[in-house]
Amino acid sequence: QQQVKQSPQSLIVQKGGISIINCAYENTAFDYFPWYQQFPGKGPALLIAIRPDVSEKKEGRFTISFNKSAKQFSLHIMDSQPGDSATYFCAVQRGGSQGNLIFGKGTKLSVKP
Amino acid sequence: DSGVTQTPKHLITATGQRVTLRCSPRSGDLSVYWYQQSLDQGLQFLIQYYNGEERAKGNILERFSAQQFPDLHSELNLSSLELGDSALYFCASSVDWGLSSGNTIYFGEGSWLTVV
Repeated sequence: QQQVKQSPQSLIVQKGGISIINCAYENTAFDYFPWYQQFPGKGPALLIAIRPDVSEKKEGRFTISFNKSAKQFSLHIMDSQPGDSATYFCAVQRGGSQGNLIFGKGTKLSVKP
Repeated sequence: DSGVTQTPKHLITATGQRVTLRCSPRSGDLSVYWYQQSLDQGLQFLIQYYNGEERAKGNILERFSAQQFPDLHSELNLSSLELGDSALYFCASSVDWGLSSGNTIYFGEGSWLTVV
């Protein structure tokens, strides 16, 4: 069963717009929620991460919103730029486990100039 | 550049064959992880080693095995290869074994395996 559901599969946004990607999880034991960015031909790279004791975390143009009761978290990219065009993955990790992440299926973001 | 080095970058082999993928973690990192990325399954955790010892196992097939050597580099061995094993295999590393705050996991650029 899919433990992390990510949507949408693909997203097209105009330059300067807001990109929003959503993830939903099932297991309340998860306690680490990172977002990874992957460019073609490259490995995933950590973009931003949050723990469930806060509802929002912002780093530059990137913000994670976390809703513990709904078991959902989302990535917001403000003032989206063509250089943001990439595939974005949400992931979860179970508290107390080793460093193995469970990834969503990914969202391919295209930012049009 | 994440500092994680993987070789080879591309590999084409026939069904039934065996291949070895190699990974050098970032300097100072003791944990090595292997992930498989395919179109249908997405990114899946295979196995983790910490300082030479197996720490966690994910969806790794019995035909696959891995090890981490004293110099901390790691190898992923894939045997009796099938068409469905064609995928991008990532190695990743981190300083520690768990994902506590500040213990980021860094991915290499992957090894593309094509089984024909």
